[in-house]
Amino acid sequence: KNEVEQSPQNLTAQEGEFITINCSYSVGISALHWLQQHPGGGIVSLFMLSSGKKKHGRLIATINIQEKHSSLHITASHPRDSAVYICAVGVGANSKLTFGKGITLSVRP
Amino acid sequence: DGGITQSPKYLFRKEGQNVTLSCEQNLNHDAMYWYRQDPGQGLRLIYYSQIVNDFQKGDIAEGYSVSREKKESFPLTVTSAQKNPTAFYLCASSIGPEETQYFGPGTRLLVL
Repeated sequence: KNEVEQSPQNLTAQEGEFITINCSYSVGISALHWLQQHPGGGIVSLFMLSSGKKKHGRLIATINIQEKHSSLHITASHPRDSAVYICAVGVGANSKLTFGKGITLSVRP
Repeated sequence: DGGITQSPKYLFRKEGQNVTLSCEQNLNHDAMYWYRQDPGQGLRLIYYSQIVNDFQKGDIAEGYSVSREKKESFPLTVTSAQKNPTAFYLCASSIGPEETQYFGPGTRLLVL
């Protein structure tokens, strides 16, 4: 079973700061997902990546397959970025994902 | 608008009762999933279905049952055999396995 570790557990930043959230996993994967969960509970998929880097607006996700590590970067952070960020990995041609516990990000104005 | 809907938003269950959580999607997705979220833990897979009339147990299927009679619907029944059902339940769907999953707004179940 794949173990997914996220760090740091909780993160507080000042508006405008550059933020990095990390995710490590224990076995080879086919894809890694970054998800965002807002206080109401709804979850939005931010990225799905299997190699390299993806960018969407102020968000950048990178993955290093050899090191079994991914990072989610937020540039010019804003209080509306405050949420729980969840990393999940999938292995092989099936639907099952293994999820990390998530990191609670709070961006202060 | 396409999306996933879950109902109700909050659900109360008495001891010994079965309750059914609804999940509907109009995204024409083949795959659907049910997850449970507890405080301080990652999401855990209860059941998933890759196609109509077929479903597979996830990591914590005991005490739960599902059906997939229609492509757009994947209801979850929490039976009385589930001893600790209080949790936040999330439904998701995707075009197929290994594709981006789209999540519903969730149902919070509370046992009275």
